[in-house]
Amino acid sequence: DIVMTQSPDSLAVSLGERATINCKSSQSVLYNSKNKNYLAWYQQKPGQPPKLLIYWASTRESGVPDRFSGSGSGTEFTLTISSLQAEDVAVYYCQQYYDTPRTFGQGTKVEIK
Amino acid sequence: QVQLQESGPGLVRPSETLSLTCSVSGGPMTSFYWNWIRQSPGKGLEWIGNIYYAGSTKYSPSLRSRVTMSVDTSKNQFSLKIKSLTAADTAMYYCARGPSYGPNGYLEYWGQGILVTVSS
Repeated sequence: DIVMTQSPDSLAVSLGERATINCKSSQSVLYNSKNKNYLAWYQQKPGQPPKLLIYWASTRESGVPDRFSGSGSGTEFTLTISSLQAEDVAVYYCQQYYDTPRTFGQGTKVEIK
Repeated sequence: QVQLQESGPGLVRPSETLSLTCSVSGGPMTSFYWNWIRQSPGKGLEWIGNIYYAGSTKYSPSLRSRVTMSVDTSKNQFSLKIKSLTAADTAMYYCARGPSYGPNGYLEYWGQGILVTVSS
């Protein structure tokens, strides 16, 4: 299985400041022939299912605010919230869909400082 | 807007079989891949497998021996069965839709989830 490791496990950021979450995969999730990274990011708020934010490592899902951005390639990826809002308090997960089984990171909890 | 809704028992006895159904509304089942994922405090998010609208399946190797998925497009539903349950199968179970381009996909739409407890 491809192991997804996120860092940090939690972070506290002041409102309006930048939040950065890292995700590392145990093997590359870049499909070379298609030049696509099979990596998604999800946001999960308490009592709710995960919500897709980013796919193909950097494509924002429709309706997702542009303060959310994804970057990286191969085995190292980053989710950035450029200006943290109160409604962004949640747990964030990365997921690879390059191989079976699909695997998720352990999650990063984002809170307000 | 595509909506998914899980249904099934909230409590199942050890060694029995869990049967869950996901009802799909607001969009077609054809051309898409339909997934099951579970979430437990101890193991986080775990992908169980997916089924194409035409019936082909892909299961997680760790669960393959105990899992069966099926689809009924006439009812806009797909289903999950897990046999030989243990306490380790206690989790929130979600159904989700993947994109249409292939089985290796991100998860665009999720149901609200159903909490399943395995206990005698």
